[in-house]
Parts: sequence; C-alpha cells; structure tokens
Amino acid sequence: NAGVTQTPKFRVLKTGQSMTLLCAQDMNHEYMYWYRQDPGMGLRLIHYSVGEGTTAKGEVPDGYNVSRLKKQNFLLGLESAAPSQTSVYFCASRPGLAGPGGQYFGPGTRLTVL
Amino acid sequence: DQQVKQNSPSLSVQEGRISILNCDYTNSMFDYFLWYKKYPAEGPTFLISISSIKDKNEDGRFTVFLNKSAKHLSLHIVPSQPGDSAVYFCAASAVIGGNNRKLIWGLGTSLAVNP
Repeated sequence: NAGVTQTPKFRVLKTGQSMTLLCAQDMNHEYMYWYRQDPGMGLRLIHYSVGEGTTAKGEVPDGYNVSRLKKQNFLLGLESAAPSQTSVYFCASRPGLAGPGGQYFGPGTRLTVL
Repeated sequence: DQQVKQNSPSLSVQEGRISILNCDYTNSMFDYFLWYKKYPAEGPTFLISISSIKDKNEDGRFTVFLNKSAKHLSLHIVPSQPGDSAVYFCAASAVIGGNNRKLIWGLGTSLAVNP
C-alpha cells in the first residue's frame, strides 16, 4: 500500500513551458486535492475533486488545470509556466465526507520555473 | 483574512519539557480541528484531531485542547523529543456546499526540540 505518490519529485522548467504533475492514490479515496506551499503562505488549495470525472477550483486556481479521469489519479497541468509558479506542490486525498476531514498527503513535487 | 491563525512562527523547547503550540480561529462553522506535522522534504502527516463538541483529545504524548468560547485550540506535546522537531500545521474543517468538506490551514509553527 503506497498511499499517495507524486511524480516527478523535482522539476525545473523554463518560462512558457508546460508540464503535468501526476498524483496517484491506492486507497480508493473519493476526494483528491492539489496544494501549493510557499514560504510564509502555508498550504493553499489550487484545485480539488470530489470524485472521478469531477473537478473544482480552490483558492488559487489561475494558471493551472486538472483532470480526474480515473478515481486513483489526479493530474495537475501547467500550460505555460511562470516564475510565480515556483513552489512545492502537494497532492492529498481522503476517503469521503464523514469524519474530521483528515487528508493523506504525498511527498511533494518541488518545481522551479526559471 | 486568515480564518485560522498560528501566531507563533517558531518555538524552541528543551528535550523532556512540554511543547505548547497554539491556534486561533474566527469561524464558528468549523466542526473539527486537526493538527498535522511536516518534516522537510515530506508531505504533512496527520497527527491528531478534535471534534468541536469535545474540549480535549489525547493520543499518547499528544493532547489537543479546545476552548470554543475563546475560539482557541492548543497542541501539547509531553515530553518533547528531538524527533518532534518539525513544522506543525493547525487546520479547521467544515462541510461546505453539501458534498465537500474543506480544510482551512494555518501558516504553521516550526518546533525545535533541543537535546
């Protein structure tokens, strides 16, 4: 049981390049999330999904797109990377609505945009 | 406007002593509160939670206290160990929009436990 995994772990992009971050979970969780963490900013929600085939915007969605074609995968895309998107990206998942809402996090992807 | 505030960016404690991390919130709609621990280069991991109908929850060395009237919660770690050195995030949870539960995160407190 690998939990939540993220690919890649590190990436350096040039401004204007595109890339996709992959999140996979093997816990059959319904809900999945993408966050970014910047110094002094805590965790900010980019997009989330409440089930296969659904996506919704979080608090900082601009410049990102997401897809949830399969229940176990949640993809985060950057169509035209900007230096402001330099950050550490975390994916998380949780089983359902019941309970306190605790999320299980992946190890993160460190992205640098030059 | 931050709905969940951790006013101390950092805290330093001697090994064996008590660590107290504080968190304040502004919104009465939160029905659960959670603490996460994060080591460098790793994702946050869930530590302990408390329902808004409780005032205390204990799990081993970790205890969370909730004061609803003051909209304040605290995490106590007793005794503190060097391996507890990490960033601790407070998060508040609420059901929003009927089919989603949202977590609102504090900015974190960096705890250093000195041997």
